Amino acid sequence: GDSVTQMEGPVTLSEEAFLTINCTYTATGYPSLFWYVQYPGEGLQLLLKATKADDKGSNKGFEATYRKETTSFHLEKGSVQVSDSAVYFCALSGGYQKVTFGTGTKLQVIP
Amino acid sequence: GAGVSQSPRYKVAKRGQDVALRCDPISGHVSLFWYQQALGQGPEFLTYFQNEAQLDKSGLPSDRFFAERPEGSVSTLKIQRTQQEDSAVYLCASSSSASEQYFGPGTRLTVT
Repeated sequence: GDSVTQMEGPVTLSEEAFLTINCTYTATGYPSLFWYVQYPGEGLQLLLKATKADDKGSNKGFEATYRKETTSFHLEKGSVQVSDSAVYFCALSGGYQKVTFGTGTKLQVIP
Repeated sequence: GAGVSQSPRYKVAKRGQDVALRCDPISGHVSLFWYQQALGQGPEFLTYFQNEAQLDKSGLPSDRFFAERPEGSVSTLKIQRTQQEDSAVYLCASSSSASEQYFGPGTRLTVT
């Protein structure tokens, strides 16, 4: 079945540092790929998505590229802020949109 | 409403009690999903509705879990004879056809 593997956290960075959170997936066919974010005390929000190979999703300075050859969708941001502290989930969806999530990576950004 | 709403936000149940969790999707959204999120884990799929039809219930962990959406709008997830392992956050999401899923804030269920 479909699965998503992402790097374990927590990840602690200083403000303005470069962020990478690794994500790889296993799926049949050509799934859509997502990054969701869960801020403290809030619900899940879609951060960005890519629907086909080589697509780059981007939002709020975050970006991720759909790499079919390496089955990866790594999340990057050039300069993190304290307000980016949250839990980030890599996810995929095939067929009728049922979403399969990774276990989440907690990011803590310190001033 | 503006988004997906869920009630109650928090529920404490004694082991063996039945609980009912409600989801109000975004108006007009055809698809509705339920997920279970254990502490420190990602959400896991439970069941899927398209309008009032339950098209996939493969993720329901046992026959104690039951979901319905009788009029194709509001949905209820019912858990009978709750067990400690049922403690989790239950998330509801809705979407229109071929669009992203919008998640509600979740119901945190604690079984004591």
